[in-house]
Amino acid sequence: NAGVTQTPKFRVLKTGQSMTLLCAQDMNHEYMYWYRQDPGMGLRLIHYSVGEGTTAKGEVPDGYNVSRLKKQNFLLGLESAAPSQTSVYFCASTYTGELFFGEGSRLTVL
Amino acid sequence: TQLLEQSPQFLSIQEGENLTVYCNSSSVFSSLQWYRQEPGEGPVLLVTVVTGGEVKKLKRLTFQFGDARKDSSLHITAAQPGDTGLYLCAGGDSGGSNYKLTFGKGTLLTVNP
Repeated sequence: NAGVTQTPKFRVLKTGQSMTLLCAQDMNHEYMYWYRQDPGMGLRLIHYSVGEGTTAKGEVPDGYNVSRLKKQNFLLGLESAAPSQTSVYFCASTYTGELFFGEGSRLTVL
Repeated sequence: TQLLEQSPQFLSIQEGENLTVYCNSSSVFSSLQWYRQEPGEGPVLLVTVVTGGEVKKLKRLTFQFGDARKDSSLHITAAQPGDTGLYLCAGGDSGGSNYKLTFGKGTLLTVNP
């Protein structure tokens, strides 16, 4: 039972490069989320989705885009990476409001 | 914007001691969740409280939701090294949606053997 799987787990980018983080869940959850976690800042919501084909902005959406083409997948894209986007990114999903998190993706932007 | 303040930010204690972690806000939340996060992993849900004044116990952990649903506390009795981790509280949207959570910044607990 995989739960929530994030790929890749680690990535190093140069400023201006683009990349996509993939989140996949096998629990048939409607809701999916992308958070970033920085030291002393806690978890901050980037974007979320309440169902297939829908997305919405969270607390810190600038510089990120998302897509939810399939119910089980939620993609987070960085079109032009900046050093300020160095962080650990967590994907989460839920059906009842209680979040299940992936193990995180550590992104470093040089 | 709803904000959750957690205190203390850091806590280092000896095995066997008791401790309390606080989660406070000026806003009302529809529910309050507590998560524990270990290094290199994602947060894992410990408990959800939804009723003002509610108390839930999970072995040596006791969770309380304030009467006004603006604050919560986590009390650990006889802490063990396995309790070490980052404890996060998260509040459900007061508009009624439990699906958009606001997280506190966390309390980093270290229990020394």
